[in-house]
Amino acid sequence: QQPVQSPQAVILREGEDAVINCSSSKALYSVHWYRQKHGEAPVFLMILLKGGEQMRHEKISASFNEKKQQSSLYLTASQLSYSGTYFCGTPAGGTSYGKLTFGQGTILTVHP
Amino acid sequence: DTGVSQNPRHKITKRGQNVTFRCDPISEHNRLYWYRQTLGQGPEFLTYFQNEAQLEKSRLLSDRFSAERPKGSFSTLEIQRTEQGDSAMYLCASSRGLDSATNEKLFFGSGTQLSVL
Repeated sequence: QQPVQSPQAVILREGEDAVINCSSSKALYSVHWYRQKHGEAPVFLMILLKGGEQMRHEKISASFNEKKQQSSLYLTASQLSYSGTYFCGTPAGGTSYGKLTFGQGTILTVHP
Repeated sequence: DTGVSQNPRHKITKRGQNVTFRCDPISEHNRLYWYRQTLGQGPEFLTYFQNEAQLEKSRLLSDRFSAERPKGSFSTLEIQRTEQGDSAMYLCASSRGLDSATNEKLFFGSGTQLSVL
């Protein structure tokens, strides 16, 4: 089952903060976050594990709420370079942790 | 680390034709994945290889799709008798395959954009 991301789109001015959520209807053990800029490859940001610590990539951090079966991505003091589409992915089962089911994405636009 | 390389970047074909895409993963990576992405959606898993062995295929993958990874290095994805619904970005990714939830980072290529007319 595909995780659900919210919001679908966010528009910010440089320096503002944003939160992107990723929710699943099934139990989560890990959540992967990727960012994709227009016309480019998705780039790995971080992996959150059940029971693990909050993770950070530059000024982007993420948390994992097991009870809510949700992960949240926190973008602090946003920069122009943060613009792109953010995807969360959850392991789809099978023989590899790299077999992921991705959400539909959240489009983040940061203006000067 | 030269990254994951895919070619061609763009492919336009007529319905019914066969197409083949190539992916060169990061050299020390054991696992290679194929994903498909349509506009406004996240990548969708198609298949993956551990070295030269194809270990999983998506149930959504039609018989018209076949993938190979001879010698465990580069991989090819072939689509036979293309249909308009096959139009999408085909992404390749590779990983170290260390069987650890914390280490299975995917390194994606820039993809091959397929347009079926």
